[in-house]
Amino acid sequence: EPEVTQTPSHQVTQMGQEVILRCVPISNHLYFYWYRQILGQKVEFLVSFYNNEISEKSEIFDDQFSVERPDGSNFTLKIRSTKLEDSAMYFCASSENPTGHYGYTFGSGTRLTVV
Amino acid sequence: AQSVTQLGSHVSVSEGALVLLRCNYSSSVPPYLFWYVQYPNQGLQLLLKYTTGATLVKGINGFEAEFKKSETSFHLTKPSAHMSDAAEYFCAVSTNTGFQKLVFGTGTRLLVSP
Repeated sequence: EPEVTQTPSHQVTQMGQEVILRCVPISNHLYFYWYRQILGQKVEFLVSFYNNEISEKSEIFDDQFSVERPDGSNFTLKIRSTKLEDSAMYFCASSENPTGHYGYTFGSGTRLTVV
Repeated sequence: AQSVTQLGSHVSVSEGALVLLRCNYSSSVPPYLFWYVQYPNQGLQLLLKYTTGATLVKGINGFEAEFKKSETSFHLTKPSAHMSDAAEYFCAVSTNTGFQKLVFGTGTRLLVSP
């Protein structure tokens, strides 16, 4: 069964450093998403992406965050200057349809720890 | 805007007992509803979804959920719990219009005792 692949699975970084989280969506999916889950809390939407543009972003997704599809297969989330409160599990997801009619497929996540 | 409420942050059952995890949603347009399961230190796995058609939806691992529009509910059930069902369960909603994101509930941790 097709999977969404995320790398790395764990990343530890120092406060103020830049991090890039990588995702390879399912090949025939066109709609991409990042979500995050702070430990013990619910999964929160960060951003959606289609046709090389951000479609929607949440208030969490401030100027420190950016997304990119650099090469037609990878989908990346960059945090320019990490803060302690960015520590969370970050999930990438993709879907075939923008309404999720066929469901959203999630990756296994990247656990980011900012120290 | 859509929202989801999951009643009970923790639910404990004995092995073999009925599992009932509650989810109520709010949506101004017809919703798409999802249940995801998260095992410890793992990602989100789709259990089942309701988009259109039959309101009783069957998913993986013996789970099912029923969409009840009049009650704005989408409760998850399983007739007989297994130890391997212990996990965090998230209900989520999107809609059938436009470019939609998933809105998640706060999750329910299912504990299964022998």
